[in-house]
Amino acid sequence: DAGVIQSPRHEVTEMGQEVTLRCKPISGHDYLFWYRQTMMRGLELLIYFNNNVPIDDSGMPEDRFSAKMPNASFSTLKIQPSEPRDSAVYFCASSFRTGEKLFFGSGTQLSVL
Amino acid sequence: GQSLEQPSEVTAVEGAIVQINCTYQTSGFYGLSWYQQHDGGAPTFLSYNALDGLEETGRFSSFLSRSDSYGYLLLQELQMKDSASYFCAVRELGTNAGKSTFGDGTTLTVKP
Repeated sequence: DAGVIQSPRHEVTEMGQEVTLRCKPISGHDYLFWYRQTMMRGLELLIYFNNNVPIDDSGMPEDRFSAKMPNASFSTLKIQPSEPRDSAVYFCASSFRTGEKLFFGSGTQLSVL
Repeated sequence: GQSLEQPSEVTAVEGAIVQINCTYQTSGFYGLSWYQQHDGGAPTFLSYNALDGLEETGRFSSFLSRSDSYGYLLLQELQMKDSASYFCAVRELGTNAGKSTFGDGTTLTVKP
């Protein structure tokens, strides 16, 4: 398996623009997680899905953030409108069953100017 | 909720042994995990302790004591490539069982 695949690898955008991050989990994994990593706040869980259903989105910072998982092999995290404080590395991770072992994608480095 | 504390930085020399501690305050959890992250890379899974005691995987071992709310990662025969950040994480009990909360990470620097 190719592992968790995220795109794009890097994204530079201007404040106010819409940003869409994409993730393909490992086939057969039933949990999918979106994390954000910054120096100030570390690794924060934004939202996670189980069998494509959002379970906990309490970490989503604002209504500007939304996430979807239309099927078992694809998820998106959207920020609209983006702000400079959204600049961070966004990781997608997936796991099998109950999530003792998370497999992370390479991350998307987002810079909002 | 969960609260995990780790030292922010640890320095050791090549060939030495280093222990990275993780103390936590939690109402309950399934187990304690450890992840390694190199600069510019993604976190990668190292080990998981569901039960008290020591789990060994090559040069790395992890320990958990629920009664002491404490765990650690032990790295032996340190190599330069072990320079990285190390995170402990817990997975919550109950309806949020899929949720893993991470500590702030410990930056390990291995010197020649």
